[in-house]
Amino acid sequence: QVQLVQSGTEVKKPGASVKVSCKASGYTFSDYYIHWVRQAPGQGLEWMGWINPDGGDTKFAQIFEGRVTMTRGTSISTAYMELTRLRSDDTAVYFCARGVGYSSGWFDYWGQGTLVTVSS
Amino acid sequence: QSGLTQPPSVSGAPGQRVTISCTGSSSNIGANYDVHWYQQLPGTAPKLLIYGNNDRPSGVPGRFSGSKSGTSASLAITGLQAEDEADYYCQSYDSGLSGSVFGGGTKLSVL
Repeated sequence: QVQLVQSGTEVKKPGASVKVSCKASGYTFSDYYIHWVRQAPGQGLEWMGWINPDGGDTKFAQIFEGRVTMTRGTSISTAYMELTRLRSDDTAVYFCARGVGYSSGWFDYWGQGTLVTVSS
Repeated sequence: QSGLTQPPSVSGAPGQRVTISCTGSSSNIGANYDVHWYQQLPGTAPKLLIYGNNDRPSGVPGRFSGSKSGTSASLAITGLQAEDEADYYCQSYDSGLSGSVFGGGTKLSVL
């Protein structure tokens, strides 16, 4: 069965960086884009960007350009999202999700989420 | 910001039918991009409910249905049940942003 398992809770200080992992299993990793979506406390879903595991090309939402990096380790079927220069308003649960239909489709499987708290 | 607009909340009694609207623009829903819907129970990850405007993944009850017209889409839930109480999000692609966009979410309360 398809599973996306994310790394654990992180607590960071303002200005630091965080790297969240998302390990995929149950399907061919290179066949589907991995998207990242975040949700601030009590707020809605916010799309951050995607990575194509087959080639490593990426696309980010404009508001994250320059602060986010998405990479992958194909041999271990794992995607990574790194966010730099953290601010208090980056406190959120970060989800990875498998994308169907390349960059413009839907998200059929989601990771369990990783809480990132940014606090001094 | 070319996001999607949803009502903050809707409610209905058990057994009733409710609809949740999702209004977009000419750069997303109106540009013929598909709309997808997710259900999020408290403290959990979103779950795909409807994809491609009106298709249901295996395991999603037929009580859930989607539609799309012009620059808007709707999610309908019939035979409302207590377990349907959750947050619902629509999602599409926006050509101006060259990326996915979500609605702000709608909290469904079952009275």
